[in-house]
Amino acid sequence: GAVVSQHPSRVICKSGTSVKIECRSLDFQATTMFWYRQFPKQSLMLMATSNEGSKATYEQGVEKDKFLINHASLTLSTLTVTSAHPEDSSFYICSARPLGVARGYTFGSGTRLTVV
Amino acid sequence: GESVGLHLPTLSVQEGDNSIINCAYSNSASDYFIWYKQESGKGPQFIIDIRSNMDKRQGQRVTVLLNKTVKHLSLQIAATQPGDSAVYFCAENIPNYGGATNKLIFGTGTLLAVQP
Repeated sequence: GAVVSQHPSRVICKSGTSVKIECRSLDFQATTMFWYRQFPKQSLMLMATSNEGSKATYEQGVEKDKFLINHASLTLSTLTVTSAHPEDSSFYICSARPLGVARGYTFGSGTRLTVV
Repeated sequence: GESVGLHLPTLSVQEGDNSIINCAYSNSASDYFIWYKQESGKGPQFIIDIRSNMDKRQGQRVTVLLNKTVKHLSLQIAATQPGDSAVYFCAENIPNYGGATNKLIFGTGTLLAVQP
């Protein structure tokens, strides 16, 4: 079955530094990947949609300069949290949709970011 | 970003009972719906899906009902087991408009607590 690998699973960083999170589709090609953010006891909030080879589309209220998304290949998308602050601490989850599939979504296992 | 709800209702059931988890979705144009199970610290796990042209779909021990008139989904779990304890989310696929890609938006989750 379709597998999405997300790395790292946990990261702790200092305020002001940047952190990169990787999302890889292991056994399929994904033209579209999605990034979600989840605070404790809350739902998953869609941050942005990334398409291979083009700029990401950000949801309303999400700062594109703070959350940099790159989707350079059909199997890899990255989310970089720039100049991280404690309020950016959250659970970040990616999802990938296989090439040619309009409604299939496979999720990664998430990244727990803690900014100290 | 889009999300629905900031609360996490809890459903507590006895082992062996049937569970019914409800969800209200937001967009009348949504054409596909998915139920996910999320355990603590993990990404969402697919349970069952249903297209908007159906009103019921059954899987192994699970049934999803869709009422488009009132924009309501339910997930029924038969003979609930302790391993079913988790947070359950419904998600709606919003079709692309004007070239934008489909995207998956999550509803408010429900914490299912199964008492042995």
